[in-house]
Amino acid sequence: ELKVEQNPLFLSMQEGKNYTIYCNYSTTSDRLYWYRQDPGKSLESLFVLLSNGAVKQEGRLMASLDTKARLSTLHITAAVHDLSATYFCAVGPSNTGNQFYFGTGTSLTVIP
Amino acid sequence: KAGVTQTPRYLIKTRGQQVTLSCSPISGHRSVSWYQQTPGQGLQFLFEYFSETQRNKGNFPGRFSGRQFSNSRSEMNVSTLELGDSALYLCASSLAPHREGYEQYFGPGTRLTVT
Repeated sequence: ELKVEQNPLFLSMQEGKNYTIYCNYSTTSDRLYWYRQDPGKSLESLFVLLSNGAVKQEGRLMASLDTKARLSTLHITAAVHDLSATYFCAVGPSNTGNQFYFGTGTSLTVIP
Repeated sequence: KAGVTQTPRYLIKTRGQQVTLSCSPISGHRSVSWYQQTPGQGLQFLFEYFSETQRNKGNFPGRFSGRQFSNSRSEMNVSTLELGDSALYLCASSLAPHREGYEQYFGPGTRLTVT
């Protein structure tokens, strides 16, 4: 079974600082998705990465994918309070099947 | 355009009962997926439907089933409810199946509580 690990699980950072969330997955896949979830809300799609070396940016968030390392990163630049949320990466389908696997999530709190 | 809608939004059931949840995808979207979200297990894939056919199924017991209608609306059913089935059930729609790499749009979810 494909495993998706995110770290850190919890992140508290000050406004204006930069940080990176890491998403590692255990088997070959060239499709990686990032989502945001606010408390009590549904998931909002942030990025869809479909090939090795893909990089996408939206505002203060930038996501990248290295399929050889089985690693995706979500980089936060100059964090603001509005970015406080839980961020999930998801992988799939992979060469081992068509299932869709989510990471454990990273709970981000940006402190003013 | 209207987003993914799910009904009901909240539901309380008793152990042993069954429940049916409904999902209406974004107009034009033909792929519907279902996910279960719990604090302990996180987000887990239940199944995916495309053109009224189940394309993929996650590792859930047979008590969990679903179907998709010709208008792409989907329902999922859980029979013989257990306490552990208490969760947020999320539906997501996309233009085409996962394998095509299309973006998924999630509905607000149905919060199921089993007592």
